[in-house]
Amino acid sequence: NAGVTQTPKFQVLKTGQSMTLQCAQDMNHEYMSWYRQDPGMGLRLIHYSVGAGITDQGEVPNGYNVSRSTTEDFPLRLLSAAPSQTSVYFCASIGKSSSGANVLTFGAGSRLTVL
Amino acid sequence: AQSVTQLDSQVPVFEEAPVELRCNYSSSVSVYLFWYVQYPNQGLQLLLKYLSGSTLVKGINGFEAEFNKSQTSFHLRKPSVHISDTAEYFCAVSDEGFKTIFGAGTRLFVKA
Repeated sequence: NAGVTQTPKFQVLKTGQSMTLQCAQDMNHEYMSWYRQDPGMGLRLIHYSVGAGITDQGEVPNGYNVSRSTTEDFPLRLLSAAPSQTSVYFCASIGKSSSGANVLTFGAGSRLTVL
Repeated sequence: AQSVTQLDSQVPVFEEAPVELRCNYSSSVSVYLFWYVQYPNQGLQLLLKYLSGSTLVKGINGFEAEFNKSQTSFHLRKPSVHISDTAEYFCAVSDEGFKTIFGAGTRLFVKA
């Protein structure tokens, strides 16, 4: 099992450009989410999905779009990048542990710089 | 709405000394509590979790945490730290759904 795979690992954009961060999981998890990590602010939830065709906003959704056409994939789109979106982005696949709680499995992260 | 407060942004400690990383949460419903660890230039991995039952939870690498409902706390402890424990530690809370909210993180520096 590969777990959660994120691409690209690094990306530099100019202000106003668009791009998509890819996330794929092979654990058949229904739930997936995107976080951004910034110094001193921990991880903040951007968007999440409870299953194919269903998405919802997290704590900081502005400037980001998501879709969930399959169980495996959950791409994050930046339609018009801004310097404030410079961050490290983590995708997390959420599965039930043997005890029933939702335990996050994280991808390795994508470091995005917007100039 | 849920929230998590990690009371210390940085904790320096000497090797083999004990350490406590503090976490307080707020929630209007029953919650699950977690500690995740992020080693330098890596992703996050689960350290331990509290679901129900015994308030003292043991995790990997000798860490443990105690759930205190009256104080809404979930502090992380280790009796003797190693250089390899240098990392950032995140406290997190989720409800019976999947939405997980994180604290701002605590950087643990273990000095020789």
